[in-house]
Amino acid sequence: EAGVAQSPRYKIIEKRQSVAFWCNPISGHATLYWYQQILGQGPKLLIQFQNNGVVDDSQLPKDRFSAERLKGVDSTLKIQPAKLEDSAVYLCASSFGTGGYEQYFGPGTRLTVT
Amino acid sequence: AQSVTQPDIHITVSEGASLELRCNYSYGATPYLFWYVQSPGQGLQLLLKYFSGDTLVQGIKGFEAEFKRSQSSFNLRKPSVHWSDAAEYFCAVGPYGGSQGNLIFGKGTKLSVKP
Repeated sequence: EAGVAQSPRYKIIEKRQSVAFWCNPISGHATLYWYQQILGQGPKLLIQFQNNGVVDDSQLPKDRFSAERLKGVDSTLKIQPAKLEDSAVYLCASSFGTGGYEQYFGPGTRLTVT
Repeated sequence: AQSVTQPDIHITVSEGASLELRCNYSYGATPYLFWYVQSPGQGLQLLLKYFSGDTLVQGIKGFEAEFKRSQSSFNLRKPSVHWSDAAEYFCAVGPYGGSQGNLIFGKGTKLSVKP
């Protein structure tokens, strides 16, 4: 079974530029998560989708971050404009459901903002 | 507030020695507990999880963890460490049931293995 796919793997941009990350979850997984992992810390949830609806985006900086999951499959996370503190690894994960189902993580996108 | 504490930032053990990584949590309801491993440049891989029942949980790669409700702990153990176990280990807690499934992670413990 194919795992969670993410692209690009690495991205370097200047502050105030925009960037987008793409995630393709495991087939059949209804729940999709975007996490931000800053160096030296554990992942922090940015947004959770159930099919194409948002379940939790309480920690998403909505003035600059946006995410969508059209048709309940692929998802994109966008940052516009980027700040230096957005430098991090952005992890996408998917699970069959919520409430304890295992989350499968993609390899992540390492973003460097200069 | 919900939180996970991993008190050891970095641990070094000799190959073949035993390992214990500590994890304490604060959670308002019955939690699910997880240990994940992350190798450099890789995503997170689930080692094991605890939902209920037997408090000693077996996972992949020879790891086990013990849930102690009275101590709010979920420590990870391995009797004999291999060089390939060098990685970063994250403890996480998640909600029991409901529509939200997000995990709260600790800051991680980096494991180095001496030959």
